[in-house]
Amino acid sequence: DIQLTQSPSFLSASVGDRVTITCRASQGISSYLAWYQQKPGKAPKLLIYAASTLQSGVPSRFSGSGSGTEFTLTISSLQPEDFATYYCQQLNSYPHSFGQGTKLEIK
Amino acid sequence: QITLKESGPTLVKPTQTLTLTCTFSGFSLSTSGVGVGWIRQPPGKALEWLALIYWDDAKHYSPSLKSRLTISKDTSKNQVVLTMTNMDPVDTATYYCAHTHSGTYWGWGQGTLVTVSS
Repeated sequence: DIQLTQSPSFLSASVGDRVTITCRASQGISSYLAWYQQKPGKAPKLLIYAASTLQSGVPSRFSGSGSGTEFTLTISSLQPEDFATYYCQQLNSYPHSFGQGTKLEIK
Repeated sequence: QITLKESGPTLVKPTQTLTLTCTFSGFSLSTSGVGVGWIRQPPGKALEWLALIYWDDAKHYSPSLKSRLTISKDTSKNQVVLTMTNMDPVDTATYYCAHTHSGTYWGWGQGTLVTVSS
């Protein structure tokens, strides 16, 4: 199985900050990586697919990059609605595993 | 518009079998490349991928749960069913189904919380 490790697990930031979350895969997964945002009591929402493609309707302040084993999700200027938990998921091979999550909190 | 909704019991007893149904609209499970997957999330914990079934009836399971899971589809009813045997309190979680196509999980159901307790 491919393990995904996100860092950091917790992140405290302020509105307007630029933040970056990293997802590392235990083996190469090409660009088969997605990023999700999850708010309490809600289903995950797709933000980025194929490592760097922004899902329709997602604000352009979100961006993704990387390939192989290291990936990043960047939010260029945090907005109040961005405080949530973020997950990466690999779709290179089964099981389609998730990272452990990064909780983004207001400083 | 693609929608999915999970249904099933909210409470099951230890050792019982859980049966969850995902009813969807806006896509067909007879379309090439389309699949429906199941993912769960224990309270306060991370997402865990469980199983996936494709339009051609190909099935994939989490290796750690494979012996307990069965996924099936009824294309005519637009439903996918997940069964999990020998339920334990550690299986308490919100269970989600999700639509997948071309290697991406595009949309998720709202989730259903299943509690395992005697």
